[in-house]
Amino acid sequence: EAGVTQFPSHSVIEKGQTVTLRCDPISGHDNLYWYRRVMGKEIKFLLHFVKESKQDESGMPNNRFLAERTGGTYSTLKVQPAELEDSGVYFCASSQNSGTVQETQYFGPGTRLLVL
Amino acid sequence: LAKTTQPISMDSYEGQEVNITCSHNNIATNDYITWYQQFPSQGPRFIIQGYKTKVTNEVASLFIPADRKSSTLSLPRVSLSDTAVYYCLVGVYNFNKFYFGSGTKLNVKP
Repeated sequence: EAGVTQFPSHSVIEKGQTVTLRCDPISGHDNLYWYRRVMGKEIKFLLHFVKESKQDESGMPNNRFLAERTGGTYSTLKVQPAELEDSGVYFCASSQNSGTVQETQYFGPGTRLLVL
Repeated sequence: LAKTTQPISMDSYEGQEVNITCSHNNIATNDYITWYQQFPSQGPRFIIQGYKTKVTNEVASLFIPADRKSSTLSLPRVSLSDTAVYYCLVGVYNFNKFYFGSGTKLNVKP
């Protein structure tokens, strides 16, 4: 079974440009999460999808960030316009929503974003 | 979410048993305790999860005392490949807001 995949693995852009990150969750997983770690800080929750619906987007830093999950499969996270402080590693995770309390989130390898 | 406190770093030698303790004084009744492992340039990877007493799987054991205000991850006979950051996470069903904290950087020496 394929794990969570993220694309691209690395992205270097200039301040003011737009970048779109993609996450493909494990097939059949209803829950999809975005996290990020900015330089020297801890991994922080950004938002949570249940299928195509945003369940919780309280961690989104500002309106320059837009996440979508059309059709409830893969998700994209767009940063527009990118700022220097957006540099960091963006992780995606998915979980099955099996209806049990033993829910586990499976993480992708992350996308390393550098804004110059 | 209950916040967690872990040692920043630990050193060990190959073949030793490593115990990493996490404090979570404000854990709620419905909270589970989950440990993740992260290697450089990779995403966090699930190790083990528990609610109370002891849980064991093929890679680790998790000990949780009766008051559940702390937990201890036990790694038997570590190898160099166990060098990683270990995160203790506490959260309710579905964990829709994981709080990672700083984690414990385990360095296994030959």
